[in-house]
Amino acid sequence: AQSVTQLDSQVPVFEEAPVELRCNYSSSVSVYLFWYVQYPNQGLQLLLKYLSGSTLVESINGFEAEFNKSQTSFHLRKPSVHISDTAEYFCAVTNTGGFKTIFGAGTRLFVKA
Amino acid sequence: KAGVTQTPRYLIKTRGQQVTLSCSPISGHRSVSWYQQTPGQGLQFLFEYFSETQRNKGNFPGRFSGRQFSNSRSEMNVSTLELGDSALYLCASHPHRDSYLAFFGQGTRLTVV
Repeated sequence: AQSVTQLDSQVPVFEEAPVELRCNYSSSVSVYLFWYVQYPNQGLQLLLKYLSGSTLVESINGFEAEFNKSQTSFHLRKPSVHISDTAEYFCAVTNTGGFKTIFGAGTRLFVKA
Repeated sequence: KAGVTQTPRYLIKTRGQQVTLSCSPISGHRSVSWYQQTPGQGLQFLFEYFSETQRNKGNFPGRFSGRQFSNSRSEMNVSTLELGDSALYLCASHPHRDSYLAFFGQGTRLTVV
């Protein structure tokens, strides 16, 4: 079985400051890792994914995440946030042969002017 | 391609009633999964269908059921509604080749009064 822990329920940050949203996972098998973003009254959108290969993955809007197998972590970072990044972010895991994605509880990122 | 379409977007029902929610996946996708999202429990997996067969099921009571039609459209039904069933119900569509990817609809907001 897999599980996902997002260590912060809310992260307030000022515009243009860096941010890190933390995610740890637990699994006895190989997994794929994801970050999704949810804007108010919307569904989830895939932000980035780690399947294999380079442990650092990037999104088109400046976010990046690094897979750390020894620490079982997949933290999300952005060097400079914008007001428009205000949303809820979900870390997720699925085993490489399965069809069920397990989500973390979510981290609400609030960017202040 | 059109995205995942969920109908209706909003629904208000009374305790004891039943409700049916609909999901049309992305054209060509044959797998659909359903999630319940609440502030207290986060995103919880309900079930997943592929080619009209339920492949995975979450830990929900039998009041929650689903089905998938030959055109891949899916419905979920909740009978004997309880106040605690108030939630955002999200449907995700999965491509056959990369089934670990999930494309979410905007959800149906169900309020039980």
